[in-house]
Amino acid sequence: GENVEQHPSTLSVQEGDSAVIKCTYSDSASNYFPWYKQELGKRPQLIIDIRSNVGEKKDQRIAVTLNKTAKHFSLHITETQPEDSAVYFCAAGRQLTFGSGTQLTVLP
Amino acid sequence: DAGVIQSPRHEVTEMGQEVTLRCKPISGHDYLFWYRQTMMRGLELLIYFNNNVPIDDSGMPEDRFSAKMPNASFSTLKIQPSEPRDSAVYFCASRRDIRGGYTFGSGTRLTVV
Repeated sequence: GENVEQHPSTLSVQEGDSAVIKCTYSDSASNYFPWYKQELGKRPQLIIDIRSNVGEKKDQRIAVTLNKTAKHFSLHITETQPEDSAVYFCAAGRQLTFGSGTQLTVLP
Repeated sequence: DAGVIQSPRHEVTEMGQEVTLRCKPISGHDYLFWYRQTMMRGLELLIYFNNNVPIDDSGMPEDRFSAKMPNASFSTLKIQPSEPRDSAVYFCASRRDIRGGYTFGSGTRLTVV
């Protein structure tokens, strides 16, 4: 099955700085890579996704990049705001396997 | 669209009791998933259904856990008998097809004392 590694496990940035979270996956057949944001006590919510026929996708302050050769993908958040503070999960695989999560804290 | 609906939101039960968690997927979604979330193990896939048929239950921890999907709009996850180590948040999620993203329900926080 798919194996997804995510790092870092915790990340603190100053408001306005950028944050980058990275994931690697093992199954070269994987072709769909979503990112979820989970606030404390809430459900995971899809924030952006990318398919294997695309190398990069942007949605306002959020972007995801994919390197299929190296089997890794990354989430980039620019101009971070305190409301970006949450746990972020990457996922991959035919039926999604989730990474272990990154606790992002944006310091005001 | 009301999204994926789970009940109850919170459940506190005594060890040895039967627990039933419920889920209503988004109408038209062909896939339904049950996940368990704990601090130690993160988000674990327990079982998933496609068109009401269980496809992969390899994540179900042991025989005490069972899941059913009698129709396209309802699924249950049952634990019998429950144990303190089953305490976790259980999420149900649905997906329109193999290419789509998941939508999660609000989860059921289970505490077994």
